[in-house]
Amino acid sequence: DTGVSQDPRHKITKRGQNVTFRCDPISEHNRLYWYRQTLGQGPEFLTYFQNEAQLEKSRLLSDRFSAERPKGSFSTLEIQRTEQGDSAMYLCASSGQGAYGYTFGSGTRLTVV
Amino acid sequence: GNSVTQMEGPVTLSEEAFLTINCTYTATGYPSLFWYVQYPGEGLQLLLKATKADDKGSNKGFEATYRKETTSFHLEKGSVQVSDSAVYFCALSDDYKLSFGAGTTVTVRA
Repeated sequence: DTGVSQDPRHKITKRGQNVTFRCDPISEHNRLYWYRQTLGQGPEFLTYFQNEAQLEKSRLLSDRFSAERPKGSFSTLEIQRTEQGDSAMYLCASSGQGAYGYTFGSGTRLTVV
Repeated sequence: GNSVTQMEGPVTLSEEAFLTINCTYTATGYPSLFWYVQYPGEGLQLLLKATKADDKGSNKGFEATYRKETTSFHLEKGSVQVSDSAVYFCALSDDYKLSFGAGTTVTVRA
């Protein structure tokens, strides 16, 4: 098992463009999470899946953000009409149960210019 | 709601010095507490955890004790090494969601 994989590692996009990130969790983990980390801050929770069901969305996740986890395996996070304020590191994590067994990916760094 | 406040950095130490990073929390109920570490260029890694009051988490020479009476979970290491240079995050969870502090950057000089 190679852990949690995220792709791409870096993304530079122009304001107003759409971007999509992918996360491949640890295969036996049924829970998957997205967090956002801005410079000098700790990660902030965005959303959570248990298998294919999206069970919670943070108020940070505006209508321009959408996340999916088809078939309960990999997940995608899409940001439409990107804004400069969306520039951040987007972290994916997976766990088998609760917060004890979290494994984080290395993240996707988004820069909106 | 849940929140975590940790000591602001950056912290710069000499090798073999004693390290303490303060962390206090606010939570409803009885959360689990964590310290995560982020080495340069790498993802977040769990350093240690404690799930109930008076529990002590330990790993790689680091320790932290869950103090319910002071709502604290301070991280300590008796003798740091250059390889301990990293950003350290205190976090809590009452179920599946983690709430993080802002992080403390630690630099250890040889």
